[in-house]
Amino acid sequence: DQQVKQNSPSLSVQEGRISILNCDYTNSMFDYFLWYKKYPAEGPTFLISISSIKDKNEDGRFTVFLNKSAKHLSLHIVPSQPGDSAVYFCAARGNSGGSNYKLTFGKGTLLTVNP
Amino acid sequence: KAGVTQTPRYLIKTRGQQVTLSCSPISGHRSVSWYQQTPGQGLQFLFEYFSETQRNKGNFPGRFSGRQFSNSRSEMNVSTLELGDSALYLCASSFTGTGALYGYTFGSGTRLTVV
Repeated sequence: DQQVKQNSPSLSVQEGRISILNCDYTNSMFDYFLWYKKYPAEGPTFLISISSIKDKNEDGRFTVFLNKSAKHLSLHIVPSQPGDSAVYFCAARGNSGGSNYKLTFGKGTLLTVNP
Repeated sequence: KAGVTQTPRYLIKTRGQQVTLSCSPISGHRSVSWYQQTPGQGLQFLFEYFSETQRNKGNFPGRFSGRQFSNSRSEMNVSTLELGDSALYLCASSFTGTGALYGYTFGSGTRLTVV
């Protein structure tokens, strides 16, 4: 049962345009959502996060939107740059009780920004 | 400050053997989580250790085990290796394990190939 889904395995965008990466989740108990970027042969790098009590969080060129009723979040990158080309993972933090947290990841979306 | 260090970076083992992977978290971080990344399944949570105690466990067989030492360094062990264990094993550290604000910091991973 995949609780975090990234339905687009890949996305190709022109440099300077907006990149929109989508993520859906099924578990209403998730309380915190994170986006990670991953280059080949490296570990994922934290990009931006959002608490379930918010609907938007912005950090420079990156904005994450959360629609709790639709159980959907999206990452907007504006403007897109060739260096943004990487695999982007959506992750949700679940609380197993007390302070027992773990991240549940989507399978990732490969973003290619063309010059 | 130094990031999360995983050793070795690459490993080739034969079916039936066992393997031990090491992770040194960021100084001061007390939580260490382990994830398995495969092309078909994305990143899957293995377990989390906090102050030498396993706090959380994913859905992996008992062949996968781990431990954490008093200096927060963690090791992961896989016994009786199977071909399907070939994957990138990632370690992530955080101060408390909640991942709030700054997420979890990942190492570059250990690429395990079972032949």
